[in-house]
Amino acid sequence: DIQMTQSPSSLSASVGDRVTITCRASQGISNYLAWFQQKPGEAPKSLIYAASSLQSGVPSKFSGSGSGTDFTLTISSLQPEDFATYYCHQYGAYPLTFGGGTKVEIK
Amino acid sequence: QLQLQESGPGLVKPSETLSLTCTVSGGSISTSGYYWGWIRQPPGKGLEWIGNINYSGSTNYNPSLKSRVTISVDTSKNQFSLKLSSVTAADTAVYFCVRRGVGAPVGHWGQGTLVTVSS
Repeated sequence: DIQMTQSPSSLSASVGDRVTITCRASQGISNYLAWFQQKPGEAPKSLIYAASSLQSGVPSKFSGSGSGTDFTLTISSLQPEDFATYYCHQYGAYPLTFGGGTKVEIK
Repeated sequence: QLQLQESGPGLVKPSETLSLTCTVSGGSISTSGYYWGWIRQPPGKGLEWIGNINYSGSTNYNPSLKSRVTISVDTSKNQFSLKLSSVTAADTAVYFCVRRGVGAPVGHWGQGTLVTVSS
């Protein structure tokens, strides 16, 4: 199985801050990497696919980068609606796997 | 617009079989190029992929659950189903039905249904 390691597991930030979350794959996955946002009681929402492609309708404050084993999700200016848990997800090989999540909280 | 809706018992006894169905609307489950699957999330924890199936019945399962999981498809009803046998409290989770395209990440999610394993 390809293990996905996210860091940090949680962070506190203020409105307007720039936030970066990292995800490392235990083996190379090319760009088969997606990012999701999940709020309590809701299904995850897709933000990024193919490591850096923005899902339709997702604001441009979200961006993704990386290839191979190291990936990042950046939120350029954190807004109140962005406080949530973020997951990376590799879909390059079975079994599909997810990172452990990063909870973004209000400072 | 594609919609996925999970249904099934919210409470299952230990050692019994968990059975869930996902009803697809706004699209045909028989369309080639898609996988229909299940992901679960224990309360307060992360996401675990269970497995998926395509319209012709070809399946892939998570090795950690493979011995207990069966995913099937009913094209006449535009539904697919999950069976997880010999459940324990560790199988308590919100179960999501999902769709993904070939070579694509999970793109559509159901709202999720909580299944609790308890006597």
